[in-house]
Amino acid sequence: DAMVIQNPRYQVTQFGKPVTLSCSQTLNHNVMYWYQQKSSQAPKLLFHYYDKDFNNEADTPDNFQSRRPNTSFCFLDIRSPGLGDAAMYLCATSRDIRGNEQFFGPGTRLTVL
Amino acid sequence: EDQVTQSPEALRLQEGESSSLNCSYTVSGLRGLFWYRQDPGKGPEFLFTLYSAGEEKEKERLKATLTKKESFLHITAPKPEDSATYLCAVKTGANNLFFGTGTRLTVIP
Repeated sequence: DAMVIQNPRYQVTQFGKPVTLSCSQTLNHNVMYWYQQKSSQAPKLLFHYYDKDFNNEADTPDNFQSRRPNTSFCFLDIRSPGLGDAAMYLCATSRDIRGNEQFFGPGTRLTVL
Repeated sequence: EDQVTQSPEALRLQEGESSSLNCSYTVSGLRGLFWYRQDPGKGPEFLFTLYSAGEEKEKERLKATLTKKESFLHITAPKPEDSATYLCAVKTGANNLFFGTGTRLTVIP
């Protein structure tokens, strides 16, 4: 089945220690998104890639970076995680930028000690 | 400023007790309204897209409707497996999804 895969499902890091979260997709979709979802809150878009074009949300902290080396993979790098960055990180894809439906991965739950 | 408000925050229903969830929105240039289901510890699962007032979509026990200011997700004769958080999201001119905080539904056997 075509799908969105996120690894790891659970990540524990230390305050200030860089961490990378991974997302891959077999849907061959052009757009990939990263969302942050804190407990009982709405998913919040951090940034998205339309093909190789990177689009950062205005309020996404500089601490968060992303890479998309090819169509299938996208990475979320957190350069210096703080306690407030503990959250579920969701990767999603859509066929094109008009978006229509987005397909979400299962998420990576990040804990910062 | 774009806003999406879902109510109630939490809803407990007896199995078989039908009800509706509300999503009201204030956005500039609605390009679509989306309903997702999210189970604990998992990513959102797509349910419906609605594009224009008057549109309705159905899937099993769920029916979504759209007006110019709000959308309803009607749940008919719910079962315990329908327990989840239901998220509403709107797509605006920026082509990004803007989510509400969801309604946490619990269906009691």
